[in-house]
Amino acid sequence: AQTVTQSQPEMSVQEAETVTLSCTYDTSESDYYLFWYKQPPSRQMILVIRQEAYKQQNATENRFSVNFQKAAKSFSLKISDSQLGDAAMYFCAYRSWGNTPLVFGKGTRLSVIA
Amino acid sequence: DTEVTQTPKHLVMGMTNKKSLKCEQHMGHRAMYWYKQKAKKPPELMFVYSYEKLSINESVPSRFSPECPNSSLLNLHLHALQPEDSALYLCASSQETGVGQPQHFGDGTRLSIL
Repeated sequence: AQTVTQSQPEMSVQEAETVTLSCTYDTSESDYYLFWYKQPPSRQMILVIRQEAYKQQNATENRFSVNFQKAAKSFSLKISDSQLGDAAMYFCAYRSWGNTPLVFGKGTRLSVIA
Repeated sequence: DTEVTQTPKHLVMGMTNKKSLKCEQHMGHRAMYWYKQKAKKPPELMFVYSYEKLSINESVPSRFSPECPNSSLLNLHLHALQPEDSALYLCASSQETGVGQPQHFGDGTRLSIL
């Protein structure tokens, strides 16, 4: 079974600084998708970024970028120029082809210090 | 503002009550999902509807009964719930159930069972 591991339960970053959240996963599949979702206290899960395993180029979305290392099964999220609104729980998620569910990691709670 | 609307936002019910959670989206998405999320945990998939047909039931107890009356609406009927069913219930939708399709989440319904 596929598993997703987020080894940092909590992280903090100074406003305007850069922070990296780690995620590793275990799979025997060769093609799949990886996602980072953000869940602020408002509760809504918001998609931050996604990456297809067949694409070697790392995905970027404004201040958010990933470091995707397929061989190492690692998918870290880098947040640049951190803002107070970035404070949230961040979930890494994996999904493979077929009628399969989205598999979430346990989450990393990010605090942003003014 | 979320594009997936869930009502009610909060619900308190006794173990003998019958209530329903409602989820609505008008993005033309053909896949809809119910998740259960306990505090400080990732969401757990309960049900998936694809083109208004139930495609995944993650062995959810029968006291939870999903219904998809049309492509925009998803209900979760609740009956004889247990205290351990207290949780945040999230609805999500995606264009289809394809692996790369991002899921758009609602704000959730916070359910408390007395």
